[in-house]
Amino acid sequence: NAGVMQNPRHLVRRRGQEARLRCSPMKGHSHVYWYRQLPEEGLKFMVYLQKENIIDESGMPKERFSAEFPKEGPSILRIQQVVRGDSAAYFCASSPASDGIQYFGAGTRLSVL
Amino acid sequence: GESVGLHLPTLSVQEGDNSIINCAYSNSASDYFIWYKQESGKGPQFIIDIRSNMDKRQGQRVTVLLNKTVKHLSLQIAATQPGDSAVYFCAEANNNDMRFGAGTRLTVKP
Repeated sequence: NAGVMQNPRHLVRRRGQEARLRCSPMKGHSHVYWYRQLPEEGLKFMVYLQKENIIDESGMPKERFSAEFPKEGPSILRIQQVVRGDSAAYFCASSPASDGIQYFGAGTRLSVL
Repeated sequence: GESVGLHLPTLSVQEGDNSIINCAYSNSASDYFIWYKQESGKGPQFIIDIRSNMDKRQGQRVTVLLNKTVKHLSLQIAATQPGDSAVYFCAEANNNDMRFGAGTRLTVKP
């Protein structure tokens, strides 16, 4: 049973471009969470999705950021018109239930030039 | 609740000693707690969890203690090894809402 898969591992974008981060949850997991982490800091919750539905997006900026978890395929975190401040590690986690252990992927490190 | 942008506190221990990492949580309604370990360049890895109806749970070389009265959680690592060097996060959860603490960096000296 493969773990949570995130790709790409590293993503370099120029200011103004779009970044698309992908997350395939563990098999059988229908709950997906996205977090952002700056160097030497903790994990900041962004959004929680459950197959095709956004359950909680209270941690996600209202502009430029969006997330989806379609019926088929991975969850996508999309950042439009990236700025340097978007540079961070973005982690995805999945769980089989809303109150269960969250299993994390290895993260995508976004660098905005 | 929400982790804030603080630089990580650090704990340095000698190899073979026991380590105690502390965490203060904020929501008295939280009923589920998890400790994660994050090594450099990797995602957080589950270590151990505890529900609010317990005050202690033991794993292999690790023990989690929960004091709901003062909203305090601790992780004890016995006979700390160099491979234990990492950042450790506590997380508190209430229904769908899980929030992470700021983390503690553990450094093990040989």
